[in-house]
Amino acid sequence: ETGVTQSPTHLIKTRGQQVTLRCSSQSGHNTVSWYQQALGQGPQFIFQYYREEENGRGNFPPRFSGLQFPNYSSELNVNALELDDSALYLCASSPKIGLAGDREQFFGPGTRLTVL
Amino acid sequence: AQKVTQAQTEISVVEKEDVTLDCVYETRDTTYYLFWYKQPPSGELVFLIRRNSFDEQNEISGRYSWNFQKSTSSFNFTITASQVVDSAVYFCALSERSTGGFKTIFGAGTRLFVKA
Repeated sequence: ETGVTQSPTHLIKTRGQQVTLRCSSQSGHNTVSWYQQALGQGPQFIFQYYREEENGRGNFPPRFSGLQFPNYSSELNVNALELDDSALYLCASSPKIGLAGDREQFFGPGTRLTVL
Repeated sequence: AQKVTQAQTEISVVEKEDVTLDCVYETRDTTYYLFWYKQPPSGELVFLIRRNSFDEQNEISGRYSWNFQKSTSSFNFTITASQVVDSAVYFCALSERSTGGFKTIFGAGTRLFVKA
């Protein structure tokens, strides 16, 4: 059973650019969540997707958007990058059963994004 | 408003000491979930335990134990006979309903140093 994988590992962009981060969920998991983790802080919830639909969103502006595909892989897109977007972006998958509540999440290693 | 508070930023212990990591949460939901995750120096978050709001039974798993008390909104984590490999950042997290689903809120984390 393969775990959660993310690509790329590291990325450097300049302010104003757009970026797409990718995540491959653990086999059998139909839910994916994305988090932003600034240095020395806890992960901040961006949004969650369940069966290709957004299923909860944190306090992030609309320039943060996502997609989940039929094979449950997903993307995080960030437009008009700002310096404060520099962080570790974590993807987590879980075997959610319906919409009854949250299950334990299995995290990927993250993508380190640096915005210059 | 801070939803998950981990008041201890850093804790340093000597191997074989017991250590308790505190977590206090805030929610208006009657249905919610609490989690503990470990983030070792390698960076990947590892799930440790999940509790739902209707299950106040404390749990012991090897050297780990958890004390969930709804009356004080606390979900504390104790490591007995700590080991150097326990050195990591530990996060407490709360999953509660949000518009369209659930969202997970992490605390700021407690960095645990276990010295040999």
